[in-house]
Formats: sequence, C-alpha cells, structure tokens
Amino acid sequence: SAVISQKPSRDICQRGTSLTIQCQVDSQVTMMFWYRQQPGQSLTLIATANQGSEATYESGFVIDKFPISRPNLTFSTLTVSNMSPEDSSIYLCSVVGDRGQPQHFGDGTRLSIL
Amino acid sequence: SQKIEQNSEALNIQEGKTATLTCNYTNYSPAYLQWYRQDPGRGPVFLLLIRENEKEKRKERLKVTFDTTLKQSLFHITASQPADSATYLCALDNTNAGKSTFGDGTTLTVKP
Repeated sequence: SAVISQKPSRDICQRGTSLTIQCQVDSQVTMMFWYRQQPGQSLTLIATANQGSEATYESGFVIDKFPISRPNLTFSTLTVSNMSPEDSSIYLCSVVGDRGQPQHFGDGTRLSIL
Repeated sequence: SQKIEQNSEALNIQEGKTATLTCNYTNYSPAYLQWYRQDPGRGPVFLLLIRENEKEKRKERLKVTFDTTLKQSLFHITASQPADSATYLCALDNTNAGKSTFGDGTTLTVKP
C-alpha cells in the first residue's frame, strides 16, 4: 500500500495565523482526501483534493478557510486559515489508489491554537 | 438523516476470547464497507473491505460480515491478544466515489 508522509507532524500556532500542511505519497494515486479528527471524536471529511482543479468541499467547510492544492498525483496541501482555538484538531490526509479500493492514511498533523 | 452507529464506545474482554464489534447504519446504501484500526497518535490503518454483494470476509484472526438487509456489519477478532487493544472504526462509501463516512469507533481493550 502507499506510504503517506505528512508535514508538520504537530504544531502550536497563534490565533489569527495560517498553517499549510503537506501530504506526500510515494506513488501516484487517483484520489486524495483531507479529514479532521477533533479530540476524542471520529473523522470528518473536509474535502476531496482534485488534481489540477479546485477541491470539492463537504458541507460546513469552505475554500476561504481551508484552501487546498493538488498540483500532481502525489502531492497535496491543506491550509488552515485565520486559525482560532476551535481549529485545534488532528488533520489527516488519505489516498485511494482507485475507486472501490480502501483508503490509506498518513499519521496526521496535530494542531493546537493558542 | 444518515447515521453510522458503532456499539458502545468501549469494549473490554479477556485475552483469548473473541471480540465482536458492531456497525449499524441508516439511510445508506453502501457500495462497500471498511474496517480500520487506529492507535493513539496514529492515523487509521486499513484492515478489511467487504462489498455489498459479499456476506463474509476473513483475514487471519479477523472476520467481517455484511448484512445489507439488517444494515449491519459485524467485526470479529478471534483469540484476542492485548496487542489488539485499539480503536476500531467502520466506514461506508455510499457513492463508490472513494470517500468514506466514518463511525465514531469502538475502543477495544484486551486484558491479559
């Protein structure tokens, strides 16, 4: 299965700032997704990162707050903009090799906002 | 509304016993269902995938069943070990689009 690397693995940020999280995969994949996992809770899908076009956002998530890039089939970034303490969470990148196949996850970025 | 429910937040069993975890869903017609394991501080790790036309799937000590009439999946770990202690998540793909909706998870503790 694909190996997914996320950077940074953790960060502590000030309120009002922005942070960009990187997701690198060791092979080309069809689909890449970004999830959020708040403390003690399950995963919530933020958006599908589309290669060469705008990401597809789930209800409750908007591009201005979570801009996403996917310049090629192995790399994506998620930016958390104008952060507030409510954005403190784990952000996870996942990939799917092809439709009907399972997802594979990175170990996430643990973000704390002061 | 759509809902995925996993039985009890926590399940405690004795080493050597079989752990059975439940995933029930409403208002979904999933093309397939997946089970993942998540350890503290790590991302979910894929375990098993079962498709809507499959009733059972096995992998070593793991077994998954999928009943689309009952809208339920059961996940079994036989001969459980303390190393099996983790949170187990079920996930549904409703659209065969690759993205999944996750349940809240069941935290399994296997005591020696």
